[in-house]
Amino acid sequence: KAGVTQTPRYLIKTRGQQVTLSCSPISGHRSVSWYQQTPGQGLQFLFEYFSETQRNKGNFPGRFSGRQFSNSRSEMNVSTLELGDSALYLCASSLISSYNEQFFGPGTRLTVL
Amino acid sequence: DAKTTQPTSMDCAEGRAANLPCNHSTISGNEYVYWYRQIHSQGPQYIIHGLKNNETNEMASLIITEDRKSSTLILPHATLRDTAVYYCIVRVDSNYQLIWGAGTKLIIKP
Repeated sequence: KAGVTQTPRYLIKTRGQQVTLSCSPISGHRSVSWYQQTPGQGLQFLFEYFSETQRNKGNFPGRFSGRQFSNSRSEMNVSTLELGDSALYLCASSLISSYNEQFFGPGTRLTVL
Repeated sequence: DAKTTQPTSMDCAEGRAANLPCNHSTISGNEYVYWYRQIHSQGPQYIIHGLKNNETNEMASLIITEDRKSSTLILPHATLRDTAVYYCIVRVDSNYQLIWGAGTKLIIKP
């Protein structure tokens, strides 16, 4: 079956702009988690969605938001971009919860200039 | 902060068993230990997880000490494709989050 897909794969934005990233989970998976990965901080949990509801949230400012649709697809949005938001954003899906086996997508590489 | 500590890097000869240690001395009773790996330029890949007992699957074995303060991931016959960063993660009981540390960069040498 098809894996987790993320679009776009690469994105360049300027400070102050906003961005929306998309994630399509594996068919049948209902949990979608988002992570930010940077060389300095490593992998950091952003949030988890299950059945269109945010179930868990990491320690990120309110500029980072997300949502999940009825077909389990998810989007995350970052408003008022800062240089420090440059990172690889990873989406992971799992059947029920992030403590089941998570399947990661290839990520979206965001560069903020 | 991550609840685990791992060596920054390790080498292993191709065909030999790779043993990756992880210290999680502050782990609580119901907190699971997970292992993922990340091959360069790819998303992380699940390997195995466990609570108390040793676990084995087609990829690896997980050995957890009786006091649960440390564990070892064993790749029985390492290949060049096993070169990756290996993350040992504890699932925090209070909010079920996985807190990722810096991982161990494992290099398999021919």
